[in-house]
Amino acid sequence: KAGVTQTPRYLIKTRGQQVTLSCSPISGHRSVSWYQQTPGQGLQFLFEYFSETQRNKGNFPGRFSGRQFSNSRSEMNVSTLELGDSALYLCASAEEGGWTNYGYTFGSGTRLTVV
Amino acid sequence: GIQVEQSPPDLILQEGANSTLRCNFSDSVNNLQWFHQNPWGQLINLFYIPSGTKQNGRLSATTVATERYSLLYISSSQTTDSGVYFCAVETKYNFNKFYFGSGTKLNVKP
Repeated sequence: KAGVTQTPRYLIKTRGQQVTLSCSPISGHRSVSWYQQTPGQGLQFLFEYFSETQRNKGNFPGRFSGRQFSNSRSEMNVSTLELGDSALYLCASAEEGGWTNYGYTFGSGTRLTVV
Repeated sequence: GIQVEQSPPDLILQEGANSTLRCNFSDSVNNLQWFHQNPWGQLINLFYIPSGTKQNGRLSATTVATERYSLLYISSSQTTDSGVYFCAVETKYNFNKFYFGSGTKLNVKP
């Protein structure tokens, strides 16, 4: 099976712009989660989608949003970028919310730099 | 939310040595996973282990859910084991959301 695919791998944006990141889960996985990793805050949960519905959300401002399509692919969007949004954004997929014998599988991430 | 503490924060080993990484958590968990983050940033799933003991080659893990801790054992360490090891938990009260520890940075020297 192909793994979790995130595109693009690297991205440089200017403060004030918006950005869209994409995540294609493992075939058959319907749960997709997003995490932000920064040196100061570590790994923090953004949101989780299952069958096109957001089931859980972390403590991020409304500038961070996401969606999931009928084929389980997910996108996250950050509007009005700030310098502090520079981070590695990781996507994870699971068969059924994670409580299986296999848990979550992560993609390689998108490294976003805001200048 | 739940607190996840990993120790030690940094570990330097000589190739061939053994090590134990610890993860303490402050509440009951539904899911616990150990990950290794490679130099390119990808989190590699090592173990899904909400309870009990599992082994995979030179690595093994034990979770004692009733005492709220998990251990990751690395035997005969190799330079390719270097990187950051994370413990992540999902609670029974907040499904589909992982809380990560701050990680243990392992450096295995040849």
